Amino acid sequence: GQQLNQSPQSMFIQEGEDVSMNCTSSSIFNTWLWYKQDPGEGPVLLIALYKAGELTSNGRLTAQFGITRKDSFLNISASIPSDVGIYFCAGYPDPSYNTDKLIFGTGTRLQVFP
Amino acid sequence: DGGITQSPKYLFRKEGQNVTLSCEQNLNHDAMYWYRQDPGQGLRLIYYSQIVNDFQKGDIAEGYSVSREKKESFPLTVTSAQKNPTAFYLCASSIQGFSPLHFGNGTRLTVT
Repeated sequence: GQQLNQSPQSMFIQEGEDVSMNCTSSSIFNTWLWYKQDPGEGPVLLIALYKAGELTSNGRLTAQFGITRKDSFLNISASIPSDVGIYFCAGYPDPSYNTDKLIFGTGTRLQVFP
Repeated sequence: DGGITQSPKYLFRKEGQNVTLSCEQNLNHDAMYWYRQDPGQGLRLIYYSQIVNDFQKGDIAEGYSVSREKKESFPLTVTSAQKNPTAFYLCASSIQGFSPLHFGNGTRLTVT
């Protein structure tokens, strides 16, 4: 079935640094979503992408829908302590794969040190 | 405010007992979902429903049951047949299929 490989698995960075993470698949996706999950809470939608090549920002966050439709990227600029959490990518595969399920990546755990 | 409400936040049960987790949404979303999350793991789909009175099994449906009698509500029952029920359970909804999911704040179930 469709799988999403998310990397890195974890990141330990200093406050003020920029962060990059990505999600790749061997399958083609029609929609890419990025979520953030705080400890003990549900994931919160950060950015939704619907078109190959699309670049969308939400404050210090920027995400891109890869041109091949098999990957997506999330960048966080000038990280702050409240950026700590787990970031999940998710995507809806192309209908040719005959599934209506949202596929999730395994998450990137971000730790920010002051 | 519109949103998804899961209750309770923490739930403790003895092994062998069935337990029902509540999920209510006032977003007027058609689709609702239940996921399970284990420590340090991603999200695994248990059941989902695209419309009232209809639902489908996800990837790990064994030992669970659901109902969708009302658009707003999608309760999940964890039965005694579920071998390893201790986990964090997340409910979500979307306006329709192929749309972004919006999540509740989860119920942490501990079975001893």
